[in-house]
Amino acid sequence: DGGITQSPKYLFRKEGQNVTLSCEQNLNHDAMYWYRQDPGQGLRLIYYSQIVNDFQKGDIAEGYSVSREKKESFPLTVTSAQKNPTAFYLCASSQYGSGGSYNEQFFGPGTRLTVL
Amino acid sequence: RKEVEQDPGPFNVPEGATVAFNCTYSNSASQSFFWYRQDCRKEPKLLMSVYSSGNEDGRFTAQLNRASQYISLLIRDSKLSDSATYLCVVTGGFQKLVFGTGTRLLVSP
Repeated sequence: DGGITQSPKYLFRKEGQNVTLSCEQNLNHDAMYWYRQDPGQGLRLIYYSQIVNDFQKGDIAEGYSVSREKKESFPLTVTSAQKNPTAFYLCASSQYGSGGSYNEQFFGPGTRLTVL
Repeated sequence: RKEVEQDPGPFNVPEGATVAFNCTYSNSASQSFFWYRQDCRKEPKLLMSVYSSGNEDGRFTAQLNRASQYISLLIRDSKLSDSATYLCVVTGGFQKLVFGTGTRLLVSP
């Protein structure tokens, strides 16, 4: 089945530690995204990547880093510089539309990160 | 002003009721519009795209009003399984989507 996988589902981290969240897709989508969702808030874009070896900062990139070495993979590292890392992290992918249209994004099941 | 604004609700309705959600957006250049559904502690899933002419999918109808910059979602004959948070989504730049904070729907027996 085609889809997006994220691991782990739950992650606990001590303050001061870096942690990497995995995101893999087999949909052959060009674009991939990382979002953060806090209780009662909408999704906020952290980073996105349109092609391999290229990525751009989203609205809240501080304290995060990403890489896009393969089309299928877009891991997110939450560094110790992120002040409030406890959140629900969602990875998404999409294919480019044509003629100026935008295609929908498909989401993975998410990773819940808790900093202890 | 937020880029996408939604009434957070919750909307409490009985089974079988018709309920409508509105969403306003600030970017007049937005070209694509979507409604997503998000269940508690789950990922958002696409409910339907919103087309200029309006579109229907079973009990769900979406409308777009570009002049007033709002989109709507109408749910007819509500089911218990429709209980969820509905996210309004519009394009905010090249291949970027902007998500509203969502409207929570609770359908009761």
